[in-house]
Amino acid sequence: GENVEQHPSTLSVQEGDSAVIKCTYSDSASNYFPWYKQELGKGPQLIIDIRSNVGEKKDQRIAVTLNKTAKHFSLHITETQPEDSAVYFCAARSNAGGTSYGKLTFGQGTILTVHP
Amino acid sequence: DADVTQTPRNRITKTGKRIMLECSQTKGHDRMYWYRQDPGLGLRLIYYSFDVKDINKGEISDGYSVSRQAQAKFSLSLESAIPNQTALYFCATSDYTGGAVAYTFGSGTRLTVV
Repeated sequence: GENVEQHPSTLSVQEGDSAVIKCTYSDSASNYFPWYKQELGKGPQLIIDIRSNVGEKKDQRIAVTLNKTAKHFSLHITETQPEDSAVYFCAARSNAGGTSYGKLTFGQGTILTVHP
Repeated sequence: DADVTQTPRNRITKTGKRIMLECSQTKGHDRMYWYRQDPGLGLRLIYYSFDVKDINKGEISDGYSVSRQAQAKFSLSLESAIPNQTALYFCATSDYTGGAVAYTFGSGTRLTVV
């Protein structure tokens, strides 16, 4: 099945700096890659996603890039703010057949702390 | 009201007790999931269901069971709770639109087994 590795596990930045979180995946047939943000005491929420036919997608201060050849994708947050502090998860959609079809596999999570 | 509601929000139980965590959704999604979150281990899948008659084991199903009572309800049971099942548990739902699989998570149940 799909395996997703996420790095770093913790990331500390100063307000206004950029933050980058990277993920690698194992299944070359995976074709959908979402990112989730989990704030304290809440469940993860989708913040941005990218499909395999696109190399980059941007939404205001956040962007995601995808390198299908290398099987890795990254989340970029520019001009970080204290409210960006949260746990971030990457995920990949399994394209395997049978009961795994359409299921997401998550990375281990990154704790981002933005210092004022 | 929340799209995905989990009850209880917090629970402390004793070793050996049976406990049920409940999840209900108003999204109208067919697919529902139970995840466990531990520090540094991310979200690990316990069980998932793609429709009312479909139940599948995830990567860490030992010690857990589930019941899909209706399209909107999916409950997780710990038959005999043990301390290493202390964790944050999330229910999620999803649709399947083309290549995208948009998950909606509940707010979680924090379970402590003493």
